[in-house]
Amino acid sequence: AQTVTQSQPEMSVQEAETVTLSCTYDTSESDYYLFWYKQPPSRQMILVIRQEAYKQQNATENRFSVNFQKAAKSFSLKISDSQLGDAAMYFCAYRSDMEYGNKLVFGAGTILRVKS
Amino acid sequence: DTAVSQTPKYLVTQMGNDKSIKCEQNLGHDTMYWYKQDSKKFLKIMFSYNNKELIINETVPNRFSPKSPDKAHLNLHINSLELGDSAVYFCASSQVFLGNSPLHFGNGTRLTVT
Repeated sequence: AQTVTQSQPEMSVQEAETVTLSCTYDTSESDYYLFWYKQPPSRQMILVIRQEAYKQQNATENRFSVNFQKAAKSFSLKISDSQLGDAAMYFCAYRSDMEYGNKLVFGAGTILRVKS
Repeated sequence: DTAVSQTPKYLVTQMGNDKSIKCEQNLGHDTMYWYKQDSKKFLKIMFSYNNKELIINETVPNRFSPKSPDKAHLNLHINSLELGDSAVYFCASSQVFLGNSPLHFGNGTRLTVT
């Protein structure tokens, strides 16, 4: 079974608008960590935001925020005021000290296109 | 002052050759990783070293051999290259081998086997 599922292969957003990328994951653990990474055409993998499962408050980093729904095992990324530089592939990732050998497991990615 | 640097950036070689990819991190991290990104952009871990000790060894062909001379370096040697080895290989590091320690990635090495 897929550990991390990103159901949207591609998304588009108009510049300055808001877009939400979806991610769900499968776990039996209560303590784990979730991440969003961005991969622009330059190929570099850039950490966007992270969330500890024990924290109820949703993480925020400037224009990037998450909606963490622990019971639903959902971890969506919201990008506000989208900019052309946000165009990239976005990967959701899961890691637990107690599961999957503490490996960082990635979803299949969502391509985000930003229209001017 | 690149945090995680890997060389070369591009590698084009013929089937059957042996090649190496080097990785160095100057972050003082204890843990280093190799990930493979296939043509569909899927990222999968291959190896992980913590303080020079191998701790994750995924099901990869034994033609792939990692080597960590010290905790700042993790190199990947590939013997008898095959067409299916063509991919982007990422080196990464994290401060410790714990879930809350995010990975910092290098810029990747695009390996093309012809």
